[in-house]
Amino acid sequence: DQQVKQNSPSLSVQEGRISILNCDYTNSMFDYFLWYKKYPAEGPTFLISISSIKDKNEDGRFTVFLNKSAKHLSLHIVPSQPGDSAVYFCAASANYKLSFGAGTTVTVRA
Amino acid sequence: NAGVTQTPKFQVLKTGQSMTLQCAQDMNHEYMSWYRQDPGMGLRLIHYSVGAGITDQGEVPNGYNVSRSTTEDFPLRLLSAAPSQTSVYFCASSYSSVNTGELFFGEGSRLTVL
Repeated sequence: DQQVKQNSPSLSVQEGRISILNCDYTNSMFDYFLWYKKYPAEGPTFLISISSIKDKNEDGRFTVFLNKSAKHLSLHIVPSQPGDSAVYFCAASANYKLSFGAGTTVTVRA
Repeated sequence: NAGVTQTPKFQVLKTGQSMTLQCAQDMNHEYMSWYRQDPGMGLRLIHYSVGAGITDQGEVPNGYNVSRSTTEDFPLRLLSAAPSQTSVYFCASSYSSVNTGELFFGEGSRLTVL
């Protein structure tokens, strides 16, 4: 039973527009949430994270929002660039274990 | 700086064969882990280690063994390969024994079991 769910397998967005990726989780013990980015034939790379005691974290073009009551987090990318085309994984951490969602493939159109 | 190095990058096995996927990191990280990636499933944790001599099971440990005799190395052993173990395997490490989740991943090992 997946504890972290990304219900949108793909997202297509025009260059310069906002990309919004969503993630839901079921385990209330998760205390840290992260987003990873993955290009083909490479390992995932860390993008941005947020502690469960916060509701927003921003790093340049990337902002992560956490709604604990809804058990929902989202990643906003503004503005979207061609190099942002990749698979994005949502992840959540508890007790030395990191659980990942299935991923969302983002395609940025010129 | 090599980071996390996995070998081999590609491997084809027959059902019942055994093999070891190697993982080494040169960042003096305490925490190391193995994941497998399957279509539509994301990355699933197989085993992890919070330091030399300490290992524990993740979400999908059956059919896999690990050991951690040094800080640098964390090999993953398949004792009797099955077609269900066809997957891409990722090794990852973290600087802290408390997993805040900021993992550094290797490039992956693609395993096919016939």
